[in-house]
Amino acid sequence: GDSVTQMEGPVTLSEEAFLTINCTYTATGYPSLFWYVQYPGEGLQLLLKATKADDKGSNKGFEATYRKETTSFHLEKGSVQVSDSAVYFCALRKAGNTPLVFGKGTRLSVIA
Amino acid sequence: DADVTQTPRNRITKTGKRIMLECSQTKGHDRMYWYRQDPGLGLQLIYYSFDVKDINKGEISDGYSVSRQAQAKFSLSLESAIPNQTALYFCATSPGTAQLETQYFGPGTRLLVL
Repeated sequence: GDSVTQMEGPVTLSEEAFLTINCTYTATGYPSLFWYVQYPGEGLQLLLKATKADDKGSNKGFEATYRKETTSFHLEKGSVQVSDSAVYFCALRKAGNTPLVFGKGTRLSVIA
Repeated sequence: DADVTQTPRNRITKTGKRIMLECSQTKGHDRMYWYRQDPGLGLQLIYYSFDVKDINKGEISDGYSVSRQAQAKFSLSLESAIPNQTALYFCATSPGTAQLETQYFGPGTRLLVL
């Protein structure tokens, strides 16, 4: 079945460091891809999304590019802040009546 | 006011008790979902509903049941709670069938089964 694999955390970075969180997927067809973020004590919220190969999603300084050849959607940010500390979830959704499929999440801690 | 609300926010119960978690939304969305979150396991889908008359099992529906009382309300029940149902439970909504549609999550219910 369809699945999403994320790098295991936790990831600990110093403020202003470069962030990469790897995400790869397995799915037939052409899924849409998402990154959701969960800040401490809150529910998930959409961070960015992309629907087709080579699309780049971006928001709040985060970016991810849909790479069909490597079935990947890695999340990047050039300079992280303490306020970026959260759990990040990669997810996919195929066309039709199908729910999102989530990865297991990657916890990011940014220290000052 | 929050668009997706969950009650209660925290609940402690005993093994064997029946409990209900409630979710309400003011977004006017047709689709609603229940997930559980366990440390290291991410989110697992329990049940989902694409409209009031459509209920579907997710990947971990055993031990749970749901009721879609109205477009705005989707309740999750644990008929006889057991300790390994201790988790954080999230309700979510989404508007329709678009592949790029966003899911909107409630704040979660933290459940402890003793």
